[in-house]
Amino acid sequence: ETGVTQTPRHLVMGMTNKKSLKCEQHLGHNAMYWYKQSAKKPLELMFVYSLEERVENNSVPSRFSPECPNSSHLFLHLHTLQPEDSALYLCASSQEGVGATDTQYFGPGTRLTVL
Amino acid sequence: KQEVTQIPAALSVPEGENLVLNCSFTDSAIYNLQWFRQDPGKGLTSLLLIQSSQREQTSGRLNASLDKSSGRSTLYIAASQPGDSATYLCASLYNFNKFYFGSGTKLNVKP
Repeated sequence: ETGVTQTPRHLVMGMTNKKSLKCEQHLGHNAMYWYKQSAKKPLELMFVYSLEERVENNSVPSRFSPECPNSSHLFLHLHTLQPEDSALYLCASSQEGVGATDTQYFGPGTRLTVL
Repeated sequence: KQEVTQIPAALSVPEGENLVLNCSFTDSAIYNLQWFRQDPGKGLTSLLLIQSSQREQTSGRLNASLDKSSGRSTLYIAASQPGDSATYLCASLYNFNKFYFGSGTKLNVKP
Protein backbone atom coordinates (compact mmCIF):
# COMPACT_ATOMS: atom_id res chain seq x y z
CA GLU A 1 0.00 0.00 0.00
CA THR A 2 1.04 3.57 -0.55
CA GLY A 3 0.35 6.88 1.15
CA VAL A 4 -1.48 7.10 4.45
CA THR A 5 -3.89 4.36 5.49
CA GLN A 6 -6.38 4.30 8.34
CA THR A 7 -8.32 1.48 9.96
CA PRO A 8 -11.11 0.95 10.59
CA ARG A 9 -12.90 3.15 8.09
CA HIS A 10 -16.10 3.10 10.13
CA LEU A 11 -16.58 2.53 13.86
CA VAL A 12 -19.68 2.52 16.04
CA MET A 13 -19.15 2.35 19.79
CA GLY A 14 -21.01 2.83 23.02
CA MET A 15 -19.96 5.38 25.61
CA THR A 16 -18.46 2.71 27.87
CA ASN A 17 -16.42 0.96 25.17
CA LYS A 18 -12.69 1.13 24.58
CA LYS A 19 -11.49 1.16 20.99
CA SER A 20 -8.44 2.25 19.00
CA LEU A 21 -7.94 3.95 15.65
CA LYS A 22 -4.87 3.05 13.63
CA CYS A 23 -2.91 5.08 11.11
CA GLU A 24 0.04 3.95 9.02
CA GLN A 25 2.14 6.02 6.63
CA HIS A 26 4.25 4.46 3.89
CA LEU A 27 5.98 7.69 2.85
CA GLY A 28 9.01 7.71 5.15
CA HIS A 29 7.78 10.89 6.83
CA ASN A 30 8.92 12.18 10.20
CA ALA A 31 5.76 13.78 11.58
CA MET A 32 2.23 12.45 12.07
CA TYR A 33 -0.99 14.18 13.07
CA TRP A 34 -4.50 13.48 14.32
CA TYR A 35 -7.33 15.80 13.25
CA LYS A 36 -11.03 15.83 14.11
CA GLN A 37 -13.59 16.90 11.50
CA SER A 38 -17.08 17.46 12.91
CA ALA A 39 -20.09 18.29 10.79
CA LYS A 40 -20.12 21.92 9.69
CA LYS A 41 -16.95 22.74 11.65
CA PRO A 42 -13.38 23.25 10.44
CA LEU A 43 -10.80 20.55 10.89
CA GLU A 44 -9.32 20.72 14.38
CA LEU A 45 -5.76 19.65 15.07
CA MET A 46 -5.64 17.22 18.02
CA PHE A 47 -2.10 15.88 18.30
CA VAL A 48 1.26 16.20 16.56
CA TYR A 49 4.08 13.66 16.79
CA SER A 50 7.57 14.19 15.44
CA LEU A 51 9.95 11.25 15.41
CA GLU A 52 7.68 9.43 17.87
CA GLU A 53 7.66 12.31 20.35
CA ARG A 54 4.48 14.24 21.06
CA VAL A 55 5.13 17.88 20.26
CA GLU A 56 1.60 19.21 20.40
CA ASN A 57 -1.50 18.42 22.40
CA ASN A 58 -4.19 20.85 21.37
CA SER A 59 -6.23 20.85 24.61
CA VAL A 60 -7.78 17.49 23.83
CA PRO A 61 -9.79 15.70 26.57
CA SER A 62 -8.01 12.82 28.26
CA ARG A 63 -10.56 10.32 26.93
CA PHE A 64 -8.48 10.54 23.73
CA SER A 65 -5.04 9.00 24.18
CA PRO A 66 -2.52 8.97 21.31
CA GLU A 67 0.34 6.55 20.87
CA CYS A 68 3.19 6.63 18.37
CA PRO A 69 5.34 3.48 18.68
CA ASN A 70 7.46 4.35 15.61
CA SER A 71 7.58 6.93 12.86
CA SER A 72 5.26 4.91 10.60
CA HIS A 73 2.42 4.15 12.99
CA LEU A 74 0.05 6.29 15.00
CA PHE A 75 -2.82 5.19 17.21
CA LEU A 76 -5.67 7.01 18.89
CA HIS A 77 -7.05 5.12 21.89
CA LEU A 78 -10.62 5.96 22.80
CA HIS A 79 -12.45 5.37 26.09
CA THR A 80 -15.65 6.63 27.71
CA LEU A 81 -16.44 8.86 24.75
CA GLN A 82 -19.45 11.16 24.48
CA PRO A 83 -21.94 11.39 21.60
CA GLU A 84 -20.45 14.79 20.65
CA ASP A 85 -17.18 12.99 19.88
CA SER A 86 -18.84 11.50 16.80
CA ALA A 87 -16.86 12.81 13.83
CA LEU A 88 -14.45 11.95 11.05
CA TYR A 89 -10.97 11.41 12.48
CA LEU A 90 -8.21 12.10 9.99
CA CYS A 91 -4.58 11.14 10.19
CA ALA A 92 -1.87 12.98 8.27
CA SER A 93 1.89 12.90 7.87
CA SER A 94 4.58 15.31 6.68
CA GLN A 95 8.19 14.88 5.64
CA GLU A 96 9.61 17.40 8.06
CA GLY A 97 9.55 16.92 11.79
CA VAL A 98 9.37 19.62 14.42
CA GLY A 99 9.12 23.06 12.87
CA ALA A 100 7.57 21.69 9.70
CA THR A 101 6.24 24.09 7.10
CA ASP A 102 5.72 21.55 4.34
CA THR A 103 2.53 19.99 3.11
CA GLN A 104 0.66 17.25 4.91
CA TYR A 105 -0.64 14.05 3.37
CA PHE A 106 -3.96 12.79 4.66
CA GLY A 107 -5.49 9.37 5.10
CA PRO A 108 -9.12 8.62 4.19
CA GLY A 109 -10.32 8.97 7.79
CA THR A 110 -12.28 6.89 10.28
CA ARG A 111 -15.97 7.77 10.63
CA LEU A 112 -16.71 7.38 14.34
CA THR A 113 -20.21 7.22 15.78
CA VAL A 114 -20.68 7.21 19.56
CA LEU A 115 -24.06 5.95 20.73
CA LYS B 1 -6.12 32.40 17.59
CA GLN B 2 -5.95 32.24 13.84
CA GLU B 3 -9.35 32.10 12.13
CA VAL B 4 -9.89 31.09 8.53
CA THR B 5 -13.11 31.91 6.69
CA GLN B 6 -14.24 30.61 3.32
CA ILE B 7 -16.89 32.17 1.12
CA PRO B 8 -19.18 30.95 -0.32
CA ALA B 9 -20.05 27.87 1.72
CA ALA B 10 -21.55 26.23 -1.37
CA LEU B 11 -21.44 26.94 -5.08
CA SER B 12 -23.21 25.36 -8.04
CA VAL B 13 -22.10 26.20 -11.59
CA PRO B 14 -22.61 24.79 -15.09
CA GLU B 15 -19.73 22.95 -16.70
CA GLY B 16 -17.20 25.16 -18.46
CA GLU B 17 -17.47 28.17 -16.19
CA ASN B 18 -14.47 29.85 -14.63
CA LEU B 19 -14.88 30.31 -10.89
CA VAL B 20 -13.21 31.81 -7.85
CA LEU B 21 -13.20 30.49 -4.30
CA ASN B 22 -12.29 32.87 -1.50
CA CYS B 23 -10.38 32.37 1.73
CA SER B 24 -9.55 34.97 4.40
CA PHE B 25 -7.42 34.68 7.51
CA THR B 26 -7.15 36.95 10.52
CA ASP B 27 -3.41 36.94 11.19
CA SER B 28 -1.10 37.76 8.30
CA ALA B 29 1.97 36.27 10.01
CA ILE B 30 1.60 32.95 8.25
CA TYR B 31 4.30 30.64 6.95
CA ASN B 32 2.24 29.43 4.02
CA LEU B 33 -1.29 28.82 2.80
CA GLN B 34 -2.54 25.62 1.26
CA TRP B 35 -5.60 24.60 -0.73
CA PHE B 36 -6.99 21.08 -0.36
CA ARG B 37 -9.72 19.12 -2.04
CA GLN B 38 -11.93 16.67 -0.11
CA ASP B 39 -14.18 14.16 -1.85
CA PRO B 40 -17.10 12.60 0.06
CA GLY B 41 -15.96 9.88 2.43
CA LYS B 42 -12.31 10.52 1.65
CA GLY B 43 -9.37 12.37 3.10
CA LEU B 44 -7.82 15.59 1.89
CA THR B 45 -5.72 15.95 -1.23
CA SER B 46 -3.26 18.82 -1.47
CA LEU B 47 -3.79 21.03 -4.53
CA LEU B 48 -1.51 24.02 -4.13
CA LEU B 49 0.80 25.39 -1.44
CA ILE B 50 1.85 29.04 -1.48
CA GLN B 51 4.80 30.07 0.67
CA SER B 52 4.52 33.40 2.49
CA SER B 53 7.10 34.92 0.14
CA GLN B 54 5.11 33.96 -2.97
CA ARG B 55 2.14 35.65 -4.60
CA GLU B 56 0.67 32.75 -6.53
CA GLN B 57 0.99 29.14 -7.60
CA THR B 58 -0.40 27.37 -10.64
CA SER B 59 -1.15 23.75 -11.42
CA GLY B 60 -3.03 22.93 -14.60
CA ARG B 61 -6.41 24.65 -14.52
CA LEU B 62 -5.88 25.81 -10.93
CA ASN B 63 -4.34 29.08 -9.84
CA ALA B 64 -4.05 30.18 -6.22
CA SER B 65 -3.07 33.67 -5.11
CA LEU B 66 -1.97 35.00 -1.75
CA ASP B 67 -2.20 38.55 -0.41
CA LYS B 68 -0.78 38.51 3.11
CA SER B 69 -1.36 42.20 3.75
CA SER B 70 -5.10 41.87 3.25
CA GLY B 71 -5.30 38.37 4.72
CA ARG B 72 -6.78 36.82 1.59
CA SER B 73 -6.26 33.96 -0.80
CA THR B 74 -8.23 32.95 -3.86
CA LEU B 75 -8.43 29.70 -5.78
CA TYR B 76 -9.26 30.17 -9.45
CA ILE B 77 -10.57 27.15 -11.39
CA ALA B 78 -10.64 27.55 -15.15
CA ALA B 79 -13.07 25.72 -17.43
CA SER B 80 -14.72 23.78 -14.61
CA GLN B 81 -15.62 20.11 -15.11
CA PRO B 82 -18.02 17.77 -13.27
CA GLY B 83 -14.97 15.97 -11.88
CA ASP B 84 -14.09 19.18 -10.01
CA SER B 85 -17.13 18.68 -7.77
CA ALA B 86 -15.82 18.37 -4.20
CA THR B 87 -15.29 20.42 -1.06
CA TYR B 88 -12.36 22.81 -1.25
CA LEU B 89 -10.56 23.71 1.96
CA CYS B 90 -7.97 26.36 2.60
CA ALA B 91 -5.56 26.17 5.51
CA SER B 92 -3.04 28.64 6.85
CA LEU B 93 0.15 27.47 8.52
CA TYR B 94 0.37 29.89 11.41
CA ASN B 95 2.78 28.01 13.61
CA PHE B 96 5.11 25.11 13.07
CA ASN B 97 3.20 21.94 12.22
CA LYS B 98 -0.15 23.65 12.83
CA PHE B 99 -2.57 24.25 10.00
CA TYR B 100 -5.75 26.24 10.69
CA PHE B 101 -8.54 25.20 8.36
CA GLY B 102 -11.57 26.97 6.97
CA SER B 103 -14.96 25.24 6.86
CA GLY B 104 -14.71 24.75 3.13
CA THR B 105 -16.62 25.58 -0.05
CA LYS B 106 -18.73 22.76 -1.45
CA LEU B 107 -18.57 22.95 -5.24
CA ASN B 108 -21.01 21.27 -7.61
CA VAL B 109 -20.27 21.46 -11.34
CA LYS B 110 -23.30 20.45 -13.36
CA PRO B 111 -22.86 18.65 -16.71
